[in-house]
Amino acid sequence: DTAVSQTPKYLVTQMGNDKSIKCEQNLGHDTMYWYKQDSKKFLKIMFSYNNKELIINETVPNRFSPKSPDKAHLNLHINSLELGDSAVYFCASSQTLPEGLRVGTEAFFGQGTRLTVV
Amino acid sequence: DQQVKQNSPSLSVQEGRISILNCDYTNSMFDYFLWYKKYPAEGPTFLISISSIKDKNEDGRFTVFLNKSAKHLSLHIVPSQPGDSAVYFCAASALWSGGSNYKLTFGKGTLLTVNP
Repeated sequence: DTAVSQTPKYLVTQMGNDKSIKCEQNLGHDTMYWYKQDSKKFLKIMFSYNNKELIINETVPNRFSPKSPDKAHLNLHINSLELGDSAVYFCASSQTLPEGLRVGTEAFFGQGTRLTVV
Repeated sequence: DQQVKQNSPSLSVQEGRISILNCDYTNSMFDYFLWYKKYPAEGPTFLISISSIKDKNEDGRFTVFLNKSAKHLSLHIVPSQPGDSAVYFCAASALWSGGSNYKLTFGKGTLLTVNP
């Protein structure tokens, strides 16, 4: 049973289009993330939601809008897609533990969505 | 600004020998370090972690060493197996400045190839 699943796995679209990537986790975690792995292979955090509330928002263009309808879902909507948005997008989840406790807070990742903008 | 650096993009070792993957960091606020393993077309999978209050953590064939004064950590895999061939990401965690949650910062990854 997949712990963190994201759809679609591959997405090819034209510049200017609007697209969404969906993510669901069945681990009961309270925190979900979106990461972007660009052509240079860096994995960079984009957003983090804790209990449906946005807690981390890195310097990401406002064309990217995350939406968390509930704790188990975090979707990523991208408006007016640009060539530079081509990357692999990973969803992840983790559980927040009492301050000081770190073991057990590891993030679990989905299999990634390879977005290609042409 | 690359706060977590994996300076070796690739490493090739023989089956049965030791694999040593290295990672350096610059941010002294990092207090928890993790290694993730990634196969092609899959997401990263958590492998092993270490708290900044320790200098070694061992889990089966995998051992992570932390040298806080040098801001350096390494992952040892012994003995290496062909199934270990993957990209290994080093990650470091610190309290995010905007709140009470932690943020992971990843290195660029090292491709390990274990030859039979």
